[in-house]
Amino acid sequence: EIVMTQSPATLSVSPGERATLSCRASQSVSSTLAWYQQKPGQAPRLLIYSASTRATGIPARFSGSGSGTEFTLTISSLQSEDFAVYYCQQYNNLWSFGQGTRVEIK
Amino acid sequence: QVQLVESGGGLVKPGGSLRLSCAASGFTFSDYYMSWIRRAPGKGLEWLAYISSGSSYTNYADSVKGRFTISRDNANNLLYLHMNSLRAEDTAVYYCARDFSSLFHYWGQGTRVTVSS
Repeated sequence: EIVMTQSPATLSVSPGERATLSCRASQSVSSTLAWYQQKPGQAPRLLIYSASTRATGIPARFSGSGSGTEFTLTISSLQSEDFAVYYCQQYNNLWSFGQGTRVEIK
Repeated sequence: QVQLVESGGGLVKPGGSLRLSCAASGFTFSDYYMSWIRRAPGKGLEWLAYISSGSSYTNYADSVKGRFTISRDNANNLLYLHMNSLRAEDTAVYYCARDFSSLFHYWGQGTRVTVSS
């Protein structure tokens, strides 16, 4: 089983600032890495796949990078609607998710 | 539009059983692999099981293997998760999700399962 580890657990950011979220895989997953956003009471939404490709309709302020075992999700200028929990997910060998990073208002 | 609606959650005693359903609409259900995923309180998302479009292939997370069974009824656009020998740690919101190229583009809103005596 591939274990995904996200950091930090909670990120406090002011609106308009940049947020950087990290995700590490226990073994290489190449570029088969996705990011999801989940807000309270809502289903997760796919943001990024193949480590760096934005899903349909996702704003350009969301960007992903990395390959192998180290990945980053960057939100360039946080909007009010971006405060949520973010999960990374590998799909190289079945599926596994990280434990999530909560982005909260500072 | 694509819709996935889960049902069947509720309160069940440890050791009990429950069957979750997911009603799909807005797409050709029989063309897609489907998965069940859950989120336990205070924890992250956990993939549980998948089933191929024609039910030929299934696979499970180790945490539920031997206790949970995924199935589908393509004639009625329904996905199921049969859960046996439930434990307190199975308490979670359960989601069904549509798989395309191993990505989950569409999810239901979830159904809550509570395992408690």
